[in-house]
Amino acid sequence: DQQVKQNSPSLSVQEGRISILNCDYTNSMFDYFLWYKKYPAEGPTFLISISSIKDKNEDGRFTVFLNKSAKHLSLHIVPSQPGDSAVYFCAASDGWDDMRFGAGTRLTVKP
Amino acid sequence: DAGVIQSPRHEVTEMGQEVTLRCKPISGHDYLFWYRQTMMRGLELLIYFNNNVPIDDSGMPEDRFSAKMPNASFSTLKIQPSEPRDSAVYFCASSLKEQGIFGTNVLTFGAGSRLTVL
Repeated sequence: DQQVKQNSPSLSVQEGRISILNCDYTNSMFDYFLWYKKYPAEGPTFLISISSIKDKNEDGRFTVFLNKSAKHLSLHIVPSQPGDSAVYFCAASDGWDDMRFGAGTRLTVKP
Repeated sequence: DAGVIQSPRHEVTEMGQEVTLRCKPISGHDYLFWYRQTMMRGLELLIYFNNNVPIDDSGMPEDRFSAKMPNASFSTLKIQPSEPRDSAVYFCASSLKEQGIFGTNVLTFGAGSRLTVL
């Protein structure tokens, strides 16, 4: 039972344009949402997070939007750079302990 | 700190053999997680520990899988007997819940152990 879903396995964008990665969840008890970035042969690394009391969190070129009513969040990268090419995982938790991940979206930023 | 250390990085074995994956979490971290990454299901949570105690092992696929954490600096994930469908990358991650702070549980992952069962 996948509680966190990333329905787009891959995304390709041109350098300098916006990348939008999407994530849906089913568990209404989730109260924290995170994005992780993963390069080949490395473990995922934390990128940005948002709590359920907010609808937007920004960190430099990265912005995460949360729509609780739709159980949907998205990660915006503006402007996209070739170094952003990686697999992006959406994650959610309903407390401190449990952390559930989506299947990931492979982003390719073309020069 | 060297981060979360996993070994082996790569393991190739034959069906029916026992496989043991090892993890050394970041010193001082009180949570340890084991995840499995596959193309179809992405990152699946297998089991996690808090202060060396298993909290939730509902993600462990079968009785062939077992995990232990004998002390705060070491954990193992064992598969016995292994099957080709166990082929995946297995990640260990750790985190620290700071007292009195309500916030995001940010996991630090190891580089993973790529398992191939022939």
